[in-house]
Amino acid sequence: GESVGLHLPTLSVQEGDNSIINCAYSNSASDYFIWYKQESGKGPQFIIDIRSNMDKRQGQRVTVLLNKTVKHLSLQIAATQPGDSAVYFCAENTGGYQKVTFGTGTKLQVIP
Amino acid sequence: DAGVTQSPTHLIKTRGQQVTLRCSPKSGHDTVSWYQQALGQGPQFIFQYYEEEERQRGNFPDRFSGHQFPNYSSELNVNALLLGDSALYLCASSGPKDRVYGYTFGSGTRLTVV
Repeated sequence: GESVGLHLPTLSVQEGDNSIINCAYSNSASDYFIWYKQESGKGPQFIIDIRSNMDKRQGQRVTVLLNKTVKHLSLQIAATQPGDSAVYFCAENTGGYQKVTFGTGTKLQVIP
Repeated sequence: DAGVTQSPTHLIKTRGQQVTLRCSPKSGHDTVSWYQQALGQGPQFIFQYYEEEERQRGNFPDRFSGHQFPNYSSELNVNALLLGDSALYLCASSGPKDRVYGYTFGSGTRLTVV
């Protein structure tokens, strides 16, 4: 499939290392944040989410950190695997209806 | 349980033509949102349909229109196609029990305008 990461910032990580992907969001009124993974030729896939009343949430091998003071989100992936290679997007939702606004993605390349 | 399905997967159209893209939401979902994703960019919100009506709209011209059917499936129509409309068009669905928290995307339709 065609790459969606042609002009995106790229993070290269050695297999087994931890990855940290950062994101600055735009709307201080946003109350819900999501990280998506998008593989080539596929739609975005939900990874993990966090509400604005939290500053950290952990999933399986993934952790999301939220710093509302500086409007910053990060996604940490532990023990990065080749299957983690993809483009990662942060997204935000500002209450009410389910409109989700995507940020600039980051392409993660895992080096075997 | 089928997820979100979109058709067709790929499409080539000529500038000035019209196109219709289709989306079937995940079972149990009643809300459909459409996104445009240009190469190397994040998805951009086009509009959202709920109860067969457009509920929210992003910053897209009137050439972009849509429809939702009683079975919750949806169509995206684009008139007077421009070269800049070439993109991956994504459909996302969500349901009464898992609104934005359960946003599920299809694999998209790749539209190429020549």
